[in-house]
Amino acid sequence: AAGVIQSPRHLIKEKRETATLKCYPIPRHDTVYWYQQGPGQDPQFLISFYEKMQSDKGSIPDRFSAQQFSDYHSELNMSSLELGDSALYFCATSFGNQPQHFGDGTRLSIL
Amino acid sequence: GESVGLHLPTLSVQEGDNSIINCAYSNSASDYFIWYKQESGKGPQFIIDIRSNMDKRQGQRVTVLLNKTVKHLSLQIAATQPGDSAVYFCAENKNYGQNFVFGPGTRLSVLP
Repeated sequence: AAGVIQSPRHLIKEKRETATLKCYPIPRHDTVYWYQQGPGQDPQFLISFYEKMQSDKGSIPDRFSAQQFSDYHSELNMSSLELGDSALYFCATSFGNQPQHFGDGTRLSIL
Repeated sequence: GESVGLHLPTLSVQEGDNSIINCAYSNSASDYFIWYKQESGKGPQFIIDIRSNMDKRQGQRVTVLLNKTVKHLSLQIAATQPGDSAVYFCAENKNYGQNFVFGPGTRLSVLP
């Protein structure tokens, strides 16, 4: 079965650079969620979109923004990157009130 | 803020034994719970869910128990196998389809 696709799988950036992470949902899934997971930590919710509109907002820094496109894929844009932004970034998608399904994440390393 | 937590950060069990992973939640308004399994280098994988109008739900080798009175959730894994070794998270939300609050995770190690 098709799963949530995230790209890139790994990304290395330097401080103050920008990064764009992409998420392609399971077909028919209309809701996208972004999570950040630090080393040894649980996933922390950042932001979500339903039908291309922001539906909920968590602990997303002002330096980050996201959007969902007409084909339901989503992009997380990160600017002025800091060392503390090094983490795994997961995208999860769902349809209606069905469980969220996660991608395998993007590992972002800031040098 | 309200959060979901776990009693035991690590759990080691012998292969073939049953495992029980516990989770306490503090938001009494939560009405939907999911257990996720996360293997190294992978995203959380859905195991089983339960809604607040139920107190037990069974899947293949897994059972989730929900005690709303004490705000406690548990995941039981029967005949634990080496492939069950992973970090297990409970997650809750109070509105279907909205973001989940995750607990800190329990690492399950299966001993040969």
